[in-house]
Amino acid sequence: QVQVVESGGGVVQPGTSLRLSCESSGFTFSSYGIHWVRQAPGKGLEWVALIAHDGSDKYYADSVKGRFTISRDNSKNTVSLQMNSLRTEDTAVYYCAKEEFDSGDYGRHYFFDYWGQGTLVAVSS
Amino acid sequence: DIQMTQSPSSLSASVGDRVTITCRASQSISTYLNWYLQKPGKAPKVVIHAASTLQSGVPSRFSGSGARRDFTLTISSLQPEDAGTYYCQQSYSTPFTFGPGTKVNLK
Repeated sequence: QVQVVESGGGVVQPGTSLRLSCESSGFTFSSYGIHWVRQAPGKGLEWVALIAHDGSDKYYADSVKGRFTISRDNSKNTVSLQMNSLRTEDTAVYYCAKEEFDSGDYGRHYFFDYWGQGTLVAVSS
Repeated sequence: DIQMTQSPSSLSASVGDRVTITCRASQSISTYLNWYLQKPGKAPKVVIHAASTLQSGVPSRFSGSGARRDFTLTISSLQPEDAGTYYCQQSYSTPFTFGPGTKVNLK
């Protein structure tokens, strides 16, 4: 069965760094894009980043661009999110999600079919 | 970036009621629209993708419709396990933005 497991969260001070990991199993990891989505306490979902199946393409939300870097190691079925220059507004539960798609008239309809349980990042002085 | 709005922000309904949630995109997104249900303390789960495709394993009382800018999620007969917060999400272009959510409560 498909499993997606995040790790690496914790409490850190503003301006510092943290690296999150997302380890997956139960599917052909190298065939699927992986996304990070976060949720601040009591708030809605915010898409953070995407890495293509082979790592060739990476996309970021404006709120994290230039500070966060997504990467993957297909030999280890792992995606990482390096978070630098952390701010208090980065405090959230961070979810890793596997991408799936339908074929549509104008291209692929992407959606997230498996999510991890989330890892909490708290940025506080 | 494409902005997503949802209405209502919350609703209360009884078991067996028909429930409708709407989602609007700031520009046309064809049918690149997904719906997720999140229960407290849990990760979201996809309910509908590509605007109207029921995710495998999701009960048939859920349905989705719409195209371009306006979309609807309908629960034909609300069940206790359907309570939670529903989010729409566009996958037309990055960033894959989510709507603010609609909290569904049981009366």
